[in-house]
Amino acid sequence: AQSVTQLDSQVPVFEEAPVELRCNYSSSVSVYLFWYVQYPNQGLQLLLKYLSGSTLVESINGFEAEFNKSQTSFHLRKPSVHISDTAEYFCAVSAGGGGSNYKLTFGKGTLLTVNP
Amino acid sequence: GAVVSQHPSRVICKSGTSVKIECRSLDFQATTMFWYRQFPKKSLMLMATSNEGSKATYEQGVEKDKFLINHASLTLSTLTVTSAHPEDSSFYICSAPDQGTGGVRIHFGNGTRLTVT
Repeated sequence: AQSVTQLDSQVPVFEEAPVELRCNYSSSVSVYLFWYVQYPNQGLQLLLKYLSGSTLVESINGFEAEFNKSQTSFHLRKPSVHISDTAEYFCAVSAGGGGSNYKLTFGKGTLLTVNP
Repeated sequence: GAVVSQHPSRVICKSGTSVKIECRSLDFQATTMFWYRQFPKKSLMLMATSNEGSKATYEQGVEKDKFLINHASLTLSTLTVTSAHPEDSSFYICSAPDQGTGGVRIHFGNGTRLTVT
């Protein structure tokens, strides 16, 4: 079984400031890692994912995350945030290997609030 | 555009009635789909794995007789909340993995807000 810990339930920052949303996981098997963003009353949108290969993954809107196996972490970062980045961010993990392993275990979410 | 269509987006029903929520994969086939439930200001909790052509696999603590899942085809899974009660009010979200070229992508529907009065 897997578990995900998002250490910060809320992160307030000012516009154009850098931000890091922390995510740690535990698993006895190899994993796939994901970050999703959720805007109010909407579903989830994939921000980025790590399946294999390069440990640094990037999204098209400036976010990046680095898989650190030794620290079992997958922290999300952005060097300069915008007001429009205000949303709930969920870190998720699934067991690698496909099939029913595509069921995800989510962290409790981090509410990122970007203030002007 | 959306590759997983979930319908309805919102539903209000009276206590004791049943509600059906549909999850469709568009442009790809999904032998497996997943149903999640999200409580206010809480994370998503997996309820069950929907399997095309066989019974759904429920997570511990989820009442299979209350939350009926039917995976009727390779593009459609339905979740029926039977004899709904106010405590069933929640946000329900489905997902489907698209195992196409370029690696797997897990797509989520936009969710269904269920309010039981």
